Amino acid sequence: KQEVTQIPAALSVPEGENLVLNCSFTDSAIYNLQWFRQDPGKGLTSLLLIQSSQREQTSGRLNASLDKSSGRSTLYIAASQPGDSATYLCAVRRGTGNQFYFGTGTSLTVIP
Amino acid sequence: DTAVSQTPKYLVTQMGNDKSIKCEQNLGHDTMYWYKQDSKKFLKIMFSYNNKELIINETVPNRFSPKSPDKAHLNLHINSLELGDSAVYFCASSQEAANYGYTFGSGTRLTVV
Repeated sequence: KQEVTQIPAALSVPEGENLVLNCSFTDSAIYNLQWFRQDPGKGLTSLLLIQSSQREQTSGRLNASLDKSSGRSTLYIAASQPGDSATYLCAVRRGTGNQFYFGTGTSLTVIP
Repeated sequence: DTAVSQTPKYLVTQMGNDKSIKCEQNLGHDTMYWYKQDSKKFLKIMFSYNNKELIINETVPNRFSPKSPDKAHLNLHINSLELGDSAVYFCASSQEAANYGYTFGSGTRLTVV
């Protein structure tokens, strides 16, 4: 069974800092990995989707990497802003039904 | 032009009632899902459904049932609601092809009193 873990569970940084969020998964036989952002009381917004054959994806200030063999992904946020404050979730896709397995999330607070 | 829409956004109901949550996607995706997000914000799959197969998470009580009138809709029916059913329910859609990601709806906050 696939298990997805995110570290740290919560993170507080001053505005302008670069930061890294971590995601690890137990079964490396994945199709892809997706990073989401969830604002309080809102739905999930897709940030980046990395296919199993890719090493990284970039969108603006966000960069996600994937090391499938070691079961790890990182989300790098450059020059953090207060508007980046949210919960960040990673999810891996594999298996019967092609469902995504979600991580436990990292709650990020960027202090002005 | 919302891609995945859920209704209602909020639902407050008494124990024992039967309720439904509707989900529609206009992305042309062939697979839809229901997820439950608990109080600790953990997302857990309840169902995945395409026009070929319904896959049910074995931990989901049989009071919960998905109904799909067509490829663009997957509704969630809940019978005999219990206090523990209070949560946020998310609908999502994707293509069965493995290289696709998910698109989520905005969620339905269900409160059972």
